[in-house]
Amino acid sequence: GESVGLHLPTLSVQEGDNSIINCAYSNSASDYFIWYKQESGKGPQFIIDIRSNMDKRQGQRVTVLLNKTVKHLSLQIAATQPGDSAVYFCAERDSNYQLIWGAGTKLIIKP
Amino acid sequence: DSGVTQTPKHLITATGQRVTLRCSPRSGDLSVYWYQQSLDQGLQFLIQYYNGEERAKGNILERFSAQQFPDLHSELNLSSLELGDSALYFCASSVGATGNTEAFFGQGTRLTVV
Repeated sequence: GESVGLHLPTLSVQEGDNSIINCAYSNSASDYFIWYKQESGKGPQFIIDIRSNMDKRQGQRVTVLLNKTVKHLSLQIAATQPGDSAVYFCAERDSNYQLIWGAGTKLIIKP
Repeated sequence: DSGVTQTPKHLITATGQRVTLRCSPRSGDLSVYWYQQSLDQGLQFLIQYYNGEERAKGNILERFSAQQFPDLHSELNLSSLELGDSALYFCASSVGATGNTEAFFGQGTRLTVV
């Protein structure tokens, strides 16, 4: 849905702890999902993707979980580091092959 | 460095004016996407071009237009600018046309309308 006028949700995590960022997607027909990271002053950067025929995919220090039953996507970051501070966006690919972007979650790392 | 180049990085202009934002995609990428990002908000998809042709349209105002040239660089034209058009404008590129491949983003152009 639209997020015009809303502030970004924020997640504060202690350095070294695991972070879990959640995303609810809207279209049950979406078949591909991506997580992007946007650091301050930079463009979004690809982190990890997952197709709808999977429910889990692991990368380096990151894991994406997909629950199609409840249309929920999560990004888990292990052993969070100061460099993980950023805004994280999920995106779903709809039946027109366009990416629909979520509103983003701001991750703050506490020292 | 993503390989996507956007110019200018910053632009300040007055209401009612027209500006052109430029994007050079990564070498070999045929798709170019334009996005608008207002302060502390998500990305709003504006338009996509693939190999010179318009591929998809999002929430792009009629005052805005874009094109992709034979050398695959793209320009986004914003006219009759309003204060609310102040935002970061990102260009992204990808190899394919269907959004199933990783898109690489430029650093963005920060437009301020005063």
